[in-house]
Amino acid sequence: GQQLNQSPQSMFIQEGEDVSMNCTSSSIFNTWLWYKQEPGEGPVLLIALYKAGELTSNGRLTAQFGITRKDSFLNISASIPSDVGIYFCAGQGGSSNTGKLIFGQGTTLQVKP
Amino acid sequence: GAVVSQHPSRVICKSGTSVKIECRSLDFQATTMFWYRQFPKKSLMLMATSNEGSKATYEQGVEKDKFLINHASLTLSTLTVTSAHPEDSSFYICSARDARGTMNTEAFFGQGTRLTVV
Repeated sequence: GQQLNQSPQSMFIQEGEDVSMNCTSSSIFNTWLWYKQEPGEGPVLLIALYKAGELTSNGRLTAQFGITRKDSFLNISASIPSDVGIYFCAGQGGSSNTGKLIFGQGTTLQVKP
Repeated sequence: GAVVSQHPSRVICKSGTSVKIECRSLDFQATTMFWYRQFPKKSLMLMATSNEGSKATYEQGVEKDKFLINHASLTLSTLTVTSAHPEDSSFYICSARDARGTMNTEAFFGQGTRLTVV
């Protein structure tokens, strides 16, 4: 089945630093999504990408949909303490387009003030 | 973004009892809702796809008689954990997609339900 590999698994950074995380897949997706989850809460959508090569920003967040449709990255610039959480990539669609999401393993981000 | 409400947020039940979790789309209609299970420090694992007016589609390894799903309306899907056991303790999360969207329309998530079986 489809799988997503997300890295890094965790990051511990200083406030103000930039952060980068990425996801790769063995198969293509039509949509890439990036979510943030805080403890005890459901994931919240950060950025949605719909076209190969698309680069989208949301405030300090920037994400890109890889040209091959098999990868995506998320960058966070000038991190702040409230960026702490678990970030998940998710792929949707592709060869077996059932509309369901396939999630990466998550990147746990900790920011030191 | 669209609002998905999940209830209850936390529930503690005794072994052998059944627990119902509700997932509602508050400001849109959802023909499809998804149910996930998440273990501590792990990713979301899709359990089943809930389709309004028809039977749910379960992922491989998920017992459909154990996890009963009902999607009776365009705004409500329920997950019932039957004869719960301690190993069913987990964080259950639903998501819903706007019925007007395409297959690639993003889904929005509920707040999750922390189930503890004692």
